[in-house]
Amino acid sequence: DAGITQSPRHKVTETGTPVTLRCHQTENHRYMYWYRQDPGHGLRLIHYSYGVKDTDKGEVSDGYSVSRSKTEDFLLTLESATSSQTSVYFCAISEYQTGLSAGYGYTFGSGTRLTVV
Amino acid sequence: SQQGEEDPQALSIQEGENATMNCSYKTSINNLQWYRQNSGRGLVHLILIRSNEREKHSGRLRVTLDTSKKSSSLLITASRAADTASYFCATAPKGIEDSWGKLQFGAGTQVVVTP
Repeated sequence: DAGITQSPRHKVTETGTPVTLRCHQTENHRYMYWYRQDPGHGLRLIHYSYGVKDTDKGEVSDGYSVSRSKTEDFLLTLESATSSQTSVYFCAISEYQTGLSAGYGYTFGSGTRLTVV
Repeated sequence: SQQGEEDPQALSIQEGENATMNCSYKTSINNLQWYRQNSGRGLVHLILIRSNEREKHSGRLRVTLDTSKKSSSLLITASRAADTASYFCATAPKGIEDSWGKLQFGAGTQVVVTP
């Protein structure tokens, strides 16, 4: 997707190992989000960032940490991967806060399919 | 927990027919958005409707919002095979401080359009 890339696209890792997923944007958008997508659950927010070094937890943040040292990069780390973290992970960006009544949509990356064995 | 729930979960239609899917949500919202996801791809933003709007159009898409019933519908007219995808509604909750600004997604409606 234009302006936002996720890496890697696919990864298989072993239980107990740390894993870092990267989201890179070229849009200079302030807000960045990490979601996971699982069958029957839609997308669930893991963490989000509202600026460099400013992050907050989402509804399924346990076992995950994030960092944002530059506007363009938002990293998601699974500290010790478990089989329950097998999922497709999506990064999203938005220029403005979508909670405003004006409202703005998100731009999503193509996702990272992570398998924990 | 999911804010929005789409109905039906799956929909199969023929080209040229209209496709209608619904979304119900639980709490007050600032806006509601619809996204499309093609297989193996990320979500693509289709349309946004604000809480003070009742209907919105974009090309072959028509979205309605009924805040009294906490529901929305997405209509795709004259469907094409290329419309085959999953469609998700997402809500921007209002008045819930720890949810402010964070879109909440439903589980989606899978639409298959056959030629």
